[in-house]
Amino acid sequence: DAMVIQNPRYQVTQFGKPVTLSCSQTLNHNVMYWYQQKSSQAPKLLFHYYDKDFNNEADTPDNFQSRRPNTSFCFLDIRSPGLGDAAMYLCATSRESGRLPESYEQYFGPGTRLTVT
Amino acid sequence: GENVEQHPSTLSVQEGDSAVIKCTYSDSASNYFPWYKQELGKRPQLIIDIRSNVGEKKDQRIAVTLNKTAKHFSLHITETQPEDSAVYFCPLYNFNKFYFGSGTKLNVKP
Repeated sequence: DAMVIQNPRYQVTQFGKPVTLSCSQTLNHNVMYWYQQKSSQAPKLLFHYYDKDFNNEADTPDNFQSRRPNTSFCFLDIRSPGLGDAAMYLCATSRESGRLPESYEQYFGPGTRLTVT
Repeated sequence: GENVEQHPSTLSVQEGDSAVIKCTYSDSASNYFPWYKQELGKRPQLIIDIRSNVGEKKDQRIAVTLNKTAKHFSLHITETQPEDSAVYFCPLYNFNKFYFGSGTKLNVKP
């Protein structure tokens, strides 16, 4: 019963060659997040979508872009990957209703491990 | 970014002992306090959370306590087992966004 799916699980790209990571969800959640997690570090929020509204973090490099064509899918585009972009990329979803919920639980996908050669 | 601090950064306990991890935040408007567990090579997963109108919440061997005056909340794990070994995070929640601190690596020795 996969709820948040990420493809591919492993991606190898060359320095400077654009790459796209994908995320899909079956939860019908309105919020989707992209995190970057490097080895032995905490997940770092890159950006998130609240419905169709895109919210970028101030320290997210311009090299990272995102698209959300519909509720179920979200893409992370890295325009010119550098060696420092090698990391695990985690997609997550949550449901925000505007009313105070009991929980704002985030559901994470399994991640895509990106290697840059 | 937002500010959340965890202590300790690493914790090693003997199986069966209790473990306590503390998280300190700076934003007095914070009203939601989750704890996530991330096992090696796996995704983070929510294990327990609490809202600001509740002082304590318990779920079997895990509990979370909140001290709003002191701006800290703690994760308590009793009767620890080797499968509790993981990194634990207390992300700060702020307007639909989660900011993860550096985490606490818990090692439960059999």
